[in-house]
Amino acid sequence: NAGVTQTPKFQVLKTGQSMTLQCAQDMNHNSMYWYRQDPGMGLRLIYYSASEGTTDKGEVPNGYNVSRLNKREFSLRLESAAPSQTSVYFCASSGPGQHYGYTFGSGTRLTVV
Amino acid sequence: LAKTTQPISMDSYEGQEVNITCSHNNIATNDYITWYQQFPSQGPRFIIQGYKTKVTNEVASLFIPADRKSSTLSLPRVSLSDTAVYYCLVGDPTGGGNKLTFGTGTQLKVEL
Repeated sequence: NAGVTQTPKFQVLKTGQSMTLQCAQDMNHNSMYWYRQDPGMGLRLIYYSASEGTTDKGEVPNGYNVSRLNKREFSLRLESAAPSQTSVYFCASSGPGQHYGYTFGSGTRLTVV
Repeated sequence: LAKTTQPISMDSYEGQEVNITCSHNNIATNDYITWYQQFPSQGPRFIIQGYKTKVTNEVASLFIPADRKSSTLSLPRVSLSDTAVYYCLVGDPTGGGNKLTFGTGTQLKVEL
């Protein structure tokens, strides 16, 4: 099925470890996004990529880096994980299509201990 | 980015119509209004999008008055499975990198 695929679904890290969250979409969308969602809160934008080859900071970029590998893939990297980064991470994409809306992945639940 | 205001929570019963209103006083000319639904442990899901007047799809209707400073999401005959958080967002989706700001949304609880 067409959509946004995120891996892994769950991850536990120790403080100071690094990891990369992967995201891929097969809808030929130009724009991709990374959000985080903390309990009882809305989604906050970490980074986004308006098109292949470009990335920009969102509301809460500190502690993260991103790479737009190609049109399909947009990865999020935590260089030195901190407990404050414990959250659910959602990747999304958008572009012309049936509607001008976001399509979200199913999320990665990350716990930093 | 236009800021939106919507109720924190709403309660309803199965079979009733639910209307969730969102205010967006600073909406810009090129902005669309989009509603998303989020179930626990899932990513938000697109419900409906509109620019003006009324839009209807198989899931919901969206009513937008002429001044576009507010909008109302209407869910006909809700069921228990409609219990979710509903987000109202405003922005210009036609350009690249349309970064949307999600508020805390409206928690809809549907009971028997």
